[in-house]
Amino acid sequence: SQTIHQWPATLVQPVGSPLSLECTVEGTSNPNLYWYRQAAGRGLQLLFYSVGIGQISSEVPQNLSASRPQDRQFILSSKKLLLSDSGFYLCAWSVRRNSPLHFGNGTRLTVT
Amino acid sequence: AQSVTQPDIHITVSEGASLELRCNYSYGATPYLFWYVQSPGQGLQLLLKYFSGDTLVQGIKGFEAEFKRSQSSFNLRKPSVHWSDAAEYFCAVGARENQGAQKLVFGQGTRLTINP
Repeated sequence: SQTIHQWPATLVQPVGSPLSLECTVEGTSNPNLYWYRQAAGRGLQLLFYSVGIGQISSEVPQNLSASRPQDRQFILSSKKLLLSDSGFYLCAWSVRRNSPLHFGNGTRLTVT
Repeated sequence: AQSVTQPDIHITVSEGASLELRCNYSYGATPYLFWYVQSPGQGLQLLLKYFSGDTLVQGIKGFEAEFKRSQSSFNLRKPSVHWSDAAEYFCAVGARENQGAQKLVFGQGTRLTINP
């Protein structure tokens, strides 16, 4: 069966520091991969998605970037964190266009 | 572009009572529709989905939802709630014309509290 792993689970970082969140999927090949952000008390906002290695689409302009160096690995990065980057970051995968998304357990990022 | 509205931010029901969570969507054609549940500090778990066919769909944990095209709605129901159903519930819509990735748009969520 397929599983998705996100780490770390929680992270506290100072303003201006770099960020790297990692997500890996097991048990499937060539998945579509997604990064969502959930601000406190709000819904989910799609940040990035990828349909293949090295293929990244950004949904909103921001201080973050994403990379997909391997088929089942998706990384969310920032060179310098802002206070507004705080939130709950969720990685997800799907098999095909018309299949549901499956989410990881998320990373709680607090920028101080 | 598609959009989703969950009119109720917070709902409280008694254990054993019936439940209905509302979801309205905006989309020019028949969308893909989903309900997810999120426990505090956790990721989202898929409850059920609608792609086509029977408009009444059954999901996990005793939940069901009905797609009503005329009302642009996809309300979630459960006949009798359990204390373990307390969580945040999200409705999501996907566009059929999207090629490649399934870019879901989520509602703001409804927080469900269960009274003993």
